[in-house]
Amino acid sequence: DTEVTQTPKHLVMGMTNKKSLKCEQHMGHRAMYWYKQKAKKPPELMFVYSYEKLSINESVPSRFSPECPNSSLLNLHLHALQPEDSALYLCASSQEGTGGGEKLFFGSGTQLSVL
Amino acid sequence: GDSVTQMEGPVTLSEEAFLTINCTYTATGYPSLFWYVQYPGEGLQLLLKATKADDKGSNKGFEATYRKETTSFHLEKGSVQVSDSAVYFCALKHTGNQFYFGTGTSLTVIP
Repeated sequence: DTEVTQTPKHLVMGMTNKKSLKCEQHMGHRAMYWYKQKAKKPPELMFVYSYEKLSINESVPSRFSPECPNSSLLNLHLHALQPEDSALYLCASSQEGTGGGEKLFFGSGTQLSVL
Repeated sequence: GDSVTQMEGPVTLSEEAFLTINCTYTATGYPSLFWYVQYPGEGLQLLLKATKADDKGSNKGFEATYRKETTSFHLEKGSVQVSDSAVYFCALKHTGNQFYFGTGTSLTVIP
């Protein structure tokens, strides 16, 4: 299994809603990532979890709350989002290592629209 | 800090044309270099990578050579197909978990 699975594929939410994005991988990877991608732009790193601990937070607003319940799962909890948060949210994983050659495996993303 | 600079797009080519997408990087030491491809509505997929100077990554007819002297990792393909239409991202990674992506180059191949 070399897949990163993200659910849902599409999400529409109002600014007062609370929702969660889910990501799962069974490749034994110990690093998991959330990226945000606007149309025609590169992915922007939001969070990195390493061995289930948050290792990088790129100054993301608190209305985005990540969670890593175990080594295979990564969630992104959303609350009180703004319309400008509408984007494709990508989950990725990689083997944890110091060699630098580890590649990212991406899920197909959740297309989020905030109304 | 580390960064990647990619040629501006969009690029439009006829089928069987030669493709070059330029990528240069700024980094200390010896980062690993990657090309990722993104098809519409999908996440990014690794196309090829190189982990040290003079390495050549290749996959599906695409090639890129890690040039330390010019800090470049240009993507090439000798004969593009309509199915190659996508957005291509150059990226680098040092030790640790931080990947740096270029701005992406959109390629459209017309029959």
